Amino acid sequence: QLQLQESGPGLVKPSETLSLTCTVSGGSISTSDYYWGWIRQPPGKGLEWIVSFYFSEKTYYNPSLKSRVTMSADTSRDQFSLKLRSVTASDTAVYYCAALSRWLTYIDFWGQGTLVTVSS
Amino acid sequence: QSALTQPASVSGSPGQSITISCTGTSSDVGGYNYVSWHQQYPGKAPKLLIYDVSNRPSGVSNRFFGSKSGNTASLTISGLQAEDEADYYCTSYTSSKTLLFGGGTKLTVL
Repeated sequence: QLQLQESGPGLVKPSETLSLTCTVSGGSISTSDYYWGWIRQPPGKGLEWIVSFYFSEKTYYNPSLKSRVTMSADTSRDQFSLKLRSVTASDTAVYYCAALSRWLTYIDFWGQGTLVTVSS
Repeated sequence: QSALTQPASVSGSPGQSITISCTGTSSDVGGYNYVSWHQQYPGKAPKLLIYDVSNRPSGVSNRFFGSKSGNTASLTISGLQAEDEADYYCTSYTSSKTLLFGGGTKLTVL
């Protein structure tokens, strides 16, 4: 069974870049079985899909965040990362990494989530 | 892209059945049989309950039933139990190859 674990700073200053890494165990991010992605949830609010990629294929973005998001992968470590530029207080949220189905049709496995607060 | 529409809250008594709706458009819910549902307890990560409209992952109780008609998907929970009290989110694949969430529904077991 896949397990995913997010890591990164819990506090980021406004206008700076939020950087998070997801480490996958119980499987490889090079597999053809899953897309990999990020979802966030502001405190007390609903879920918002951010970005997904399939190894060696195109990356898909939430249009409202596309201009500020970069997603990358390190297959040697079975890790993938999220960078969100020019953050503001509205980017404060619990960020989840996830494994999505092969056809990007549903989220199969979730990380436990990590709270990132944007504040000076 | 606007969020899918879910009721903010629903409630029911133990043993009863409840249904949570999830309304989208022909570009998402109505256009594909790719609606999923997740259950989330406070402070915890969501968990997949239903995928591809009506399929249950291994280990999910058969008290959870998913369906779809037109642009509206539904999650029905039968034989309501105290442990079902949680937030429920629908998700749909879209024509833009993105995923769209509903706003979430808080289920209260009376």
